[in-house]
Amino acid sequence: GAGVSQSPSNKVTEKGKDVELRCDPISGHTALYWYRQRLGQGLEFLIYFQGNSAPDKSGLPSDRFSAERTGESVSTLTIQRTQQEDSAVYLCASSPSGTSGPSYEQYFGPGTRLTVT
Amino acid sequence: GEDVEQSLFLSVREGDSSVINCTYTDSSSTYLYWYKQEPGAGLQLLTYIFSNMDMKQDQRLTVLLNKKDKHLSLRIADTQTGDSAIYFCAESRSSASKIIFGSGTRLSIRP
Repeated sequence: GAGVSQSPSNKVTEKGKDVELRCDPISGHTALYWYRQRLGQGLEFLIYFQGNSAPDKSGLPSDRFSAERTGESVSTLTIQRTQQEDSAVYLCASSPSGTSGPSYEQYFGPGTRLTVT
Repeated sequence: GEDVEQSLFLSVREGDSSVINCTYTDSSSTYLYWYKQEPGAGLQLLTYIFSNMDMKQDQRLTVLLNKKDKHLSLRIADTQTGDSAIYFCAESRSSASKIIFGSGTRLSIRP
């Protein structure tokens, strides 16, 4: 596709269950970011992948949160034992390496709206 | 630490100029951004400025940077109803590092 895609678009889960969110970045983009946006609030950085470098996990709020990325393709964000405070929109963004476009421009996906009941 | 702050709401009359302000704390910020989020839509990069610049103009948009005071502003000239959105200020230390966002300013346009 032409843009960043995320799935599912909506997810309702019961407290205590695990969820997995998926992000397909723009082809060729080496950098991938995950953010969380709670209702009426700004974006909270979670994790950043750049090529084969070790990811910057400094924004993950607890050890219940983890993310993986295979090469320069798909990424999954996993939340274990979900809590009600995990309810938010989870946004993924990708950006080019700098050789194929400005690396500072992030392209955002539509987000996954997670509701924990 | 890194922190970006902006006011939550701004209301302007159609045709007037809108000025959205932002302050940041990271003196190592190199890139400063303005993103726009329209209802039901994703975030879109509106404009950006490098920290060695004072001003950048792009059609109706003017970005002013006061690096000494760590203050960034976005001016939208001749504000239209289509400008209604949430505007996020953001900063990063380099082109290949995480971006820290503010909480967003909701701009509403009144007739």
